[in-house]
Amino acid sequence: ETGVTQSPTHLIKTRGQQVTLRCSSQSGHNTVSWYQQALGQGPQFIFQYYREEENGRGNFPPRFSGLQFPNYSSELNVNALELDDSALYLCASSLGAGAFNEQFFGPGTRLTVL
Amino acid sequence: QQQVKQSPQSLIVQKGGISIINCAYENTAFDYFPWYQQFPGKGPALLIAIRPDVSEKKEGRFTISFNKSAKQFSLHIMDSQPGDSATYFCAASTRYDYKLSFGAGTTVTVRA
Repeated sequence: ETGVTQSPTHLIKTRGQQVTLRCSSQSGHNTVSWYQQALGQGPQFIFQYYREEENGRGNFPPRFSGLQFPNYSSELNVNALELDDSALYLCASSLGAGAFNEQFFGPGTRLTVL
Repeated sequence: QQQVKQSPQSLIVQKGGISIINCAYENTAFDYFPWYQQFPGKGPALLIAIRPDVSEKKEGRFTISFNKSAKQFSLHIMDSQPGDSATYFCAASTRYDYKLSFGAGTTVTVRA
């Protein structure tokens, strides 16, 4: 059984650019949640995708958007990057949309915005 | 606005000692309280979770204590080992919710 994988591991962008982060969910999981983890902080919920539809969204602006594909992998897109977007971006997959379903986290993508 | 407040920010314990991490919440609708463990370079991994119908749950050396009236819950790591050195996050959610609200994390260092 393959766990949650994310790519790339690290990347560096400049302010105003756009970035796409990718996540492959664990086999059999139909739900992907994305979190932003700033240095020294706990993960903050960005949004969740369940069966290719956005199922819920946290307090993030519209320039944060996502997709989920038929194989349940997912992308996080961030437009017009700001310095404060520098963080570790985590995706988590689960079998089902409710928070009671254990979320399995990937290792994250470290984004640095200069 | 942080819905779950976690303390301390960091702690150092000797091998064999007890590590205690505390969390407090305001939303009385929360009814699921997991703890996650995160090692450097890794994503968080579920360690243990509790629902408010019980006051304590134990799994090996890890115990969650839950106080519904005080809206507090804590993680106790008994017989702490160097391999327990990690960052621990408490979290909370409701059965109708889709997201977890995390605390800010506690970095635990176990000295041999």
